[in-house]
Amino acid sequence: GEDVEQSLFLSVREGDSSVINCTYTDSSSTYLYWYKQEPGAGLQLLTYIFSNMDMKQDQRLTVLLNKKDKHLSLRIADTQTGDSAIYFCAETPSYSGAGSYQLTFGKGTKLSVIP
Amino acid sequence: DTEVTQTPKHLVMGMTNKKSLKCEQHMGHRAMYWYKQKAKKPPELMFVYSYEKLSINESVPSRFSPECPNSSLLNLHLHALQPEDSALYLCASSQLGESEQFFGPGTRLTVL
Repeated sequence: GEDVEQSLFLSVREGDSSVINCTYTDSSSTYLYWYKQEPGAGLQLLTYIFSNMDMKQDQRLTVLLNKKDKHLSLRIADTQTGDSAIYFCAETPSYSGAGSYQLTFGKGTKLSVIP
Repeated sequence: DTEVTQTPKHLVMGMTNKKSLKCEQHMGHRAMYWYKQKAKKPPELMFVYSYEKLSINESVPSRFSPECPNSSLLNLHLHALQPEDSALYLCASSQLGESEQFFGPGTRLTVL
């Protein structure tokens, strides 16, 4: 079945790097996503990686994908207090038909940045 | 315009009220989604519209009634809700054939 696992909490000091981990089960996923949700807000798409890639870098964000272990990570360099939020990993194993896809989300990792 | 907008931002309603949530996007996306998100939980898919037609209903109670009047608008009509329906309701959209979904800011619904 489809399942995405994340650790629930991560606390880092401002200026350090944060690494948020995610494991997924569906090897047919073509894209894997990281979304950020600040308190009371919607989900902001941060970055994504295509399943035939190992790594993707976008400014302070680095996504690593280990397909063999079905492990995805998001590294945030020089973490700032504004990075405090919940981070959701999501996979897209399911084509819903008629051109749409279903996202399967992890439970989210709450990142707390200590000044 | 690269955003999904939702109104109202907050809504408080009684169990006998009828209200509607609105979602709008002008990115030309032809797939639109409603999600429900309870506190400290991930979003749960409720409905999917493709080409303005309902393509997925995730066994949502009939007190939630979606409507897609045109390719830019998505409504969620609410009637006779229960307190446990209190949640953040998120709208999202995507290009057909692409899995990347763009989310709105959500409507915080409280049912008294």
